[in-house]
Amino acid sequence: EAGVTQFPSHSVIEKGQTVTLRCDPISGHDNLYWYRRVMGKEIKFLLHFVKESKQDESGMPNNRFLAERTGGTYSTLKVQPAELEDSGVYFCASSPIDTYGYTFGSGTRLTVV
Amino acid sequence: GIQVEQSPPDLILQEGANSTLRCNFSDSVNNLQWFHQNPWGQLINLFYIPSGTKQNGRLSATTVATERYSLLYISSSQTTDSGVYFCAVNFNKFYFGSGTKLNVKP
Repeated sequence: EAGVTQFPSHSVIEKGQTVTLRCDPISGHDNLYWYRRVMGKEIKFLLHFVKESKQDESGMPNNRFLAERTGGTYSTLKVQPAELEDSGVYFCASSPIDTYGYTFGSGTRLTVV
Repeated sequence: GIQVEQSPPDLILQEGANSTLRCNFSDSVNNLQWFHQNPWGQLINLFYIPSGTKQNGRLSATTVATERYSLLYISSSQTTDSGVYFCAVNFNKFYFGSGTKLNVKP
């Protein structure tokens, strides 16, 4: 089966611009998570979807970040406007509804200059 | 939230050496996974190990859930093992440790 797919793999944008990251989970996985690692620090939770509903968005840093999951399939994470401190690697993970084993995508490396 | 502590924070090995990485966590969890973040930033799942011992080639992991720790063993290390190793525990969502940065020198 295909894994969790994220794209782009790398994005370089200027401060103040908008960037949209996309995650395609494994087919049939209702749980979808976004995490990020910034400034060489630990990886931190951003939010959790169950199907198309936001289950937990307590990790979203501020209102410049908007996540959506259309029809419970792929998800997008939009950063608008991007700031320098948003640079880092953004990971997506998915899992079936009743298991705790997650599959992570390869991540999107975001560089804001 | 759940606290996850990894040690050591940095590790330098000569190729061929063995090492043990440790992960301590503060509460009972549903799941524990070990990941390797390679130099390209990709997060590779190594083990899903809420308890017990698993082995995969030169890597093995042991989790003692009752004592709230997990160990990752790397034997006969290779330069390709370099990168950051993360332990993550799951209690509704993942809580990651700060990682062990491993540098294996030829």
